[in-house]
Amino acid sequence: DAMVIQNPRYQVTQFGKPVTLSCSQTLNHNVMYWYQQKSSQAPKLLFHYYDKDFNNEADTPDNFQSRRPNTSFCFLDIRSPGLGDAAMYLCATSRPPSRGLAGGPRTDTQYFGPGTRLTVL
Amino acid sequence: AQSVTQLDSQVPVFEEAPVELRCNYSSSVSVYLFWYVQYPNQGLQLLLKYLSGSTLVKGINGFEAEFNKSQTSFHLRKPSVHISDTAEYFCAVSPVGAAGNKLTFGGGTRVLVKP
Repeated sequence: DAMVIQNPRYQVTQFGKPVTLSCSQTLNHNVMYWYQQKSSQAPKLLFHYYDKDFNNEADTPDNFQSRRPNTSFCFLDIRSPGLGDAAMYLCATSRPPSRGLAGGPRTDTQYFGPGTRLTVL
Repeated sequence: AQSVTQLDSQVPVFEEAPVELRCNYSSSVSVYLFWYVQYPNQGLQLLLKYLSGSTLVKGINGFEAEFNKSQTSFHLRKPSVHISDTAEYFCAVSPVGAAGNKLTFGGGTRVLVKP
């Protein structure tokens, strides 16, 4: 089945120790997203890639970086994790906006992975 | 910019009873609307979406939602819930035509179905 895979599902790191979270997809989607979801809160978009074009949200801290070496993989790097970075990190993919039949609305549903729960000690 | 408000943070409901989750949004442009469900320790799964056309949208697992443009609402309903519907539900919008489909989520509504 085509899907979005995140590894690991649970990650423990130490305060200040760099950590990398991984996302891969078999959907061949052009767009990949990283969200941060803190406990009992809504997911918050950190950044997304449209093919190789990187789009950072204005309020994403510099501590968060991303790499997309190819269509299938995208990585989230946290350079110096703080206690406040403990959260669930969600990866999602979508096709780029494109019109449907007869010029209908653009359909670009996001498909989410299971998430990686990051604990910072 | 868009904002989404889910008026109820928690909704307890008995099994086989109906449930309605309220969602209101604010946007200066037209939007697409979505409902996602998140089971414990899992990612988000799309329940349904409104892009255009009929304002009543049917989704998976017996859920439906109605888009009301004048009230800027997109409430989610299910006529009879099961224990397995216990989860967190997120309403989200994305601006029409936006490259990359940037979603703005509401704060979520936690549904607890009691036997």
